[in-house]
Amino acid sequence: EAAVTQSPRNKVTVTGGNVTLSCRQTNSHNYMYWYRQDTGHGLRLIHYSYGAGNLQIGDVPDGYKATRTTQEDFFLLLELASPSQTSLYFCASSVDLDTQYFGPGTRLLVL
Amino acid sequence: EQQVQQSPASLVLQEAENAELQCSFSIFTNQVQWFYQRPGGRLVSLLYNPSGTKQSGRLTSTTVIKERRSSLHISSSQITDSGTYLCAINYGNEKITFGAGTKLTIKP
Repeated sequence: EAAVTQSPRNKVTVTGGNVTLSCRQTNSHNYMYWYRQDTGHGLRLIHYSYGAGNLQIGDVPDGYKATRTTQEDFFLLLELASPSQTSLYFCASSVDLDTQYFGPGTRLLVL
Repeated sequence: EQQVQQSPASLVLQEAENAELQCSFSIFTNQVQWFYQRPGGRLVSLLYNPSGTKQSGRLTSTTVIKERRSSLHISSSQITDSGTYLCAINYGNEKITFGAGTKLTIKP
């Protein structure tokens, strides 16, 4: 099974703080995604990428930046964190537009 | 706008009963996926079923594109099947939209 790892697994920060969430996949997948999951909203796409240096805007991009530095690594940046960004964040990867493989998730709490 | 609707929102069954989960979508698509989310969070891909019927073990998915719906049938449910089942569609580009999920609880 494809391996997708995320770090940190849990993070607490304060309003206005700077947070970077990391994701790595070791299967040479082209696509990588960042989602947030909130009660009542399900999974919502923040940003995605189809290769190193590429970035595409998802459905809920406001307040987030992302960078795909290599085929393996995709980062999500919150430069001025707000309480509304408290959520469970998932990274996923896929070879093409079919089966996605998910990481274990990062729980972020913004106080 | 919620483009993927799942029903029921929750379902409680006795062990060994069959489960039927429904997914409907507001646009035509040919890419439908089902995922399972374990209690505690990790998502696992179950079936990628763009059309017709696909089976994997005790899971059977049927997608009828012209009716914009897909179903997931779980036969002979087990306690370990408990969790949330998510339907997701690709709506014409590289983005994937998820439904809110069906929470399945299997009781002994």
